[in-house]
Amino acid sequence: GAGVSQSPRYKVAKRGQDVALRCDPISGHVSLFWYQQALGQGPEFLTYFQNEAQLDKSGLPSDRFFAERPEGSVSTLKIQRTQQEDSAVYLCASSSYSSGKGEQFFGPGTRLTVL
Amino acid sequence: TQLLEQSPQFLSIQEGENLTVYCNSSSVFSSLQWYRQEPGEGPVLLVTVVTGGEVKKLKRLTFQFGDARKDSSLHITAAQPGDTGLYLCAGDVSGTYKYIFGTGTRLKVLA
Repeated sequence: GAGVSQSPRYKVAKRGQDVALRCDPISGHVSLFWYQQALGQGPEFLTYFQNEAQLDKSGLPSDRFFAERPEGSVSTLKIQRTQQEDSAVYLCASSSYSSGKGEQFFGPGTRLTVL
Repeated sequence: TQLLEQSPQFLSIQEGENLTVYCNSSSVFSSLQWYRQEPGEGPVLLVTVVTGGEVKKLKRLTFQFGDARKDSSLHITAAQPGDTGLYLCAGDVSGTYKYIFGTGTRLKVLA
């Protein structure tokens, strides 16, 4: 596809459920980022992949959050035992720069609501 | 903790007015980016500034990077309803792979 796609676009989960959010980056993009964006706020960094290697996961808020990119393309962000405070928009971005710096192309996000 | 504070947080103006949005930090950044985000979509890059004191113009938008590379501003001339959105600055944290995003400025331009 021409841009970054994310699925599902909306997810409603009951507290305690596990969820998996998918990101399809632009083909050939080396770098992939996940961000969490609370309502009305700027995105907050969660984790960074360079190809299949997760080089920075310092922004993951707890060990309930796990991300993977096993083949260096599609990535999945998994949240176990969801809590209400996990409700947010989760954005994925990809970049052609192997340093992770430079223009990031964002997907439309997945809006997660935990009841 | 590196923070990027944006001001104002909200701005509602009439079409044709000028405005300036500020992005401030106590930290030095290697570069700084400005994005605009519309509801239901991801942020879209407007510009990247990399040199202290740099000024870049994009049609009616003027971006400036502070001399000390700690702050930046976005000036919009003759705002139009199509400028409505959430404006975000993002600083490149030197020595890491991450960007720190600002708190955002929500702009509404009324016709």
